[in-house]
Amino acid sequence: GNSVTQMEGPVTLSEEAFLTINCTYTATGYPSLFWYVQYPGEGLQLLLKATKADDKGSNKGFEATYRKETTSFHLEKGSVQVSDSAVYFCALLTGFQKLVFGTGTRLLVSP
Amino acid sequence: IAGITQAPTSQILAAGRRMTLRCTQDMRHNAMYWYRQDLGLGLRLIHYSNTAGTTGKGEVPDGYSVSRANTDDFPLTLASAVPSQTSVYFCASSDSGTGYGYTFGSGTRLTVV
Repeated sequence: GNSVTQMEGPVTLSEEAFLTINCTYTATGYPSLFWYVQYPGEGLQLLLKATKADDKGSNKGFEATYRKETTSFHLEKGSVQVSDSAVYFCALLTGFQKLVFGTGTRLLVSP
Repeated sequence: IAGITQAPTSQILAAGRRMTLRCTQDMRHNAMYWYRQDLGLGLRLIHYSNTAGTTGKGEVPDGYSVSRANTDDFPLTLASAVPSQTSVYFCASSDSGTGYGYTFGSGTRLTVV
């Protein structure tokens, strides 16, 4: 079946540090891949997406590249801010199935 | 403001009681979903509806029921609540049913005691 594996958190960084949150997936067919962000007390918001191999999704300084050969979709940001503190979810979708989420990774950024 | 409205925001419920979580969207999305979020488990799909009048079971449907009488509303009912249903519940919707660009509500925090 389809599944998503994310690195466990929390990830604790100082402001302006480089961020990587690993995500790998298992899927039948060719999934679309997503990163969602959840700020404290809120619902999930779509951060970025990629729909085919080698696509790069980007938004708000975050980037992720769809790597079919390694079945990965790692989230990166060059310089994190305190306001980036949140929980980040990797997710996949194949065909007309439903979004499958990873367990989420909490990011804590200190000043 | 376009989006999804969930109610209540939070609730403490006695075990064995019946409870309906409400979800309304104003985007005319055809597909709607209910997820529960538990620490260390991420989000798990409870039930979904691809279009008004149809529903389907997700990964963890036991103890829950849904209905989709119209496009906008997708209530989730716990017939007889148990403590293991303590969770944060999120309603979501999407256009076309393929999952592109899910929109999420702000969630309902339910505690069953």
